[in-house]
Amino acid sequence: KAGVTQTPRYLIKTRGQQVTLSCSPISGHRSVSWYQQTPGQGLQFLFEYFSETQRNKGNFPGRFSGRQFSNSRSEMNVSTLELGDSALYLCASSFLGLAGGFITDTQYFGPGTRLTVL
Amino acid sequence: SQQGEEDPQALSIQEGENATMNCSYKTSINNLQWYRQNSGRGLVHLILIRSNEREKHSGRLRVTLDTSKKSSSLLITASRAADTASYFCATDARQGGSEKLVFGKGTKLTVNP
Repeated sequence: KAGVTQTPRYLIKTRGQQVTLSCSPISGHRSVSWYQQTPGQGLQFLFEYFSETQRNKGNFPGRFSGRQFSNSRSEMNVSTLELGDSALYLCASSFLGLAGGFITDTQYFGPGTRLTVL
Repeated sequence: SQQGEEDPQALSIQEGENATMNCSYKTSINNLQWYRQNSGRGLVHLILIRSNEREKHSGRLRVTLDTSKKSSSLLITASRAADTASYFCATDARQGGSEKLVFGKGTKLTVNP
């Protein structure tokens, strides 16, 4: 099976712009989670989509949004970019995802999108 | 604050030696997972241990879980230069009605040839 793919791999934007990142999960996986990784804050959970619905959400402002399509591909959007949004954005897919507090499902991560905000 | 906290933050050893990394967490969990990340790349899942398990093995990896101490350890035996990476523990957490996976800051392991 092909792994999780993320596009683009690298992105440079300026403050105030918006950006859309894409994630294609492993075939058959219905859950896609997004994470932000920075040197200061480490890996932080953004949100999880399952069958086209946002099922779980982390503590990020409304500038961070996402969606999932019927083929399970997911996009993440960040509007009005700030310097602090510079980070590695990782998505992960799994079959069951974050369901009911009993996570037994391995999350498979993509290579990430490196976003730099100037 | 982080649910999982790895210790030490950095570890440098020689090839062939064993490497032990620890993870402590604050609230009760259902599962704990360990991941590896090579510099600036995606995470690779290593092992998942459930709260009712005490030890798990996978190849050269050995994970223990002590729920009474809220801690876990990852042991890599006979380390190789290719094991050089950052290692993260991740625990499930429930906050504000949402489930999420919470990662620690990681242990950066360097295996010198």
